[in-house]
Amino acid sequence: QVQLQESGPGLVKPLQTLSLTCTVSGGSISSGDYYWTWIRQPPGKGLEWTGYIYYIGTTYYNPSLKSRVSISVDASKNQFSLRLSSVTAADTAVYYCARGADFWSGYYTRAFDIWGQGTMVTVSS
Amino acid sequence: DIQMTQSPSSLSASVGDRVTITCRASQSINRNLNWYQQKPGKAPNLLIYAASNLHSGVPSRFSASGSGTDFTLTISSLQPEDFATYFCQQSYTTPRSFGQGTKLEI
Repeated sequence: QVQLQESGPGLVKPLQTLSLTCTVSGGSISSGDYYWTWIRQPPGKGLEWTGYIYYIGTTYYNPSLKSRVSISVDASKNQFSLRLSSVTAADTAVYYCARGADFWSGYYTRAFDIWGQGTMVTVSS
Repeated sequence: DIQMTQSPSSLSASVGDRVTITCRASQSINRNLNWYQQKPGKAPNLLIYAASNLHSGVPSRFSASGSGTDFTLTISSLQPEDFATYFCQQSYTTPRSFGQGTKLEI
């Protein structure tokens, strides 16, 4: 079955760029109508949707992150990536990659059905 | 942006109890509401999609209902493995948003 695994630095300095990669195994990132997603969770807090990329490259971002965020896909490696620029301590969080899928129940609705285990990123000098 | 508000924020219960968690959206989201369960140190797991549909493999003691702005998640008879944090999430529009979570404690 499809599995997701995040990778990247656990420590990023303030004002630098956070870069994470999610490797998809057990299935092709280019198959099916899936939305490859990043969601983060600050320590002890709730979940924040960062954005997602459709397998054909269309992206949707959380406006709260303004122009700091970008998500890209590398189909040849079956990976998708998150870049978050000009980070501050407020960006310290566990970052999850997840798959957004459409479910039919009389109409289509989207949900995050597969998640990576998460990776902790701390922003500190 | 759509704000999702859950109540209560925490809930103490015992094995065998029936519990209900509420989620309210700041505007109508029809039935575009999902529920997730998260255990400490783990990623969330999808429980319910489209307000009332059990995801594959989710025990039938979980049920959910609602439409528009008001939704509920019910666990009919709590099992030890159900003690976790539960989040609602709207899939009506972007940016996707989650409730703040309800921590279910023994």
